[in-house]
Amino acid sequence: KQEVTQIPAALSVPEGENLVLNCSFTDSAIYNLQWFRQDPGKGLTSLLLIQSSQREQTSGRLNASLDKSSGRSTLYIAASQPGDSATYLCAVSGGGRDDKIIFGKGTRLHILP
Amino acid sequence: NAGVTQTPKFRILKIGQSMTLQCTQDMNHNYMYWYRQDPGMGLKLIYYSVGAGITDKGEVPNGYNVSRSTTEDFPLRLELAAPSQTSVYFCASSYSGQGTSDTQYFGPGTRLTVL
Repeated sequence: KQEVTQIPAALSVPEGENLVLNCSFTDSAIYNLQWFRQDPGKGLTSLLLIQSSQREQTSGRLNASLDKSSGRSTLYIAASQPGDSATYLCAVSGGGRDDKIIFGKGTRLHILP
Repeated sequence: NAGVTQTPKFRILKIGQSMTLQCTQDMNHNYMYWYRQDPGMGLKLIYYSVGAGITDKGEVPNGYNVSRSTTEDFPLRLELAAPSQTSVYFCASSYSGQGTSDTQYFGPGTRLTVL
């Protein structure tokens, strides 16, 4: 059974710092991995999607990497801003006909002004 | 283009009551999903649909039912509400399945409390 773990559960960093969020998964037979952002009381917004054949994806100050063989992904946020404060969720999608997506519990990020 | 809309936003139910959570998308997406999110936890898939008339169970389907009579609508029904169903419910949709480069679009959620 696929399990997704995110470490740390919570993180506080001063504004302007670069930071890394971690995600690990137990079954490497995935189709893709996504990073989502969730603001308090809101739904999820997709940030980056990495296909299993890809190593990384970039969008603005965000860079996500994928090492499928080791079951790991990282989300790198450059020059953090207070507006980056949110919960970041990692999710993996199984291959073949499996349309199920498994989420991690998230990392709650707080950027200190 | 409203995206994915959910109603109601909040609801309090008594044990044993029934209700339907509504979800509508206007993006002509084939796939629709229902998730629940408990405090401090990730999302768990309840049911999903790959197209009108087709539904399938997710990870935690017990106590819930769904239907998909149109492409746009995917209501979630709770027949006999229990305190364990207190959660935030999210509906999502995507054009293609999860094995593609297609992302999911989420609604704002329904916060349900069962007392």
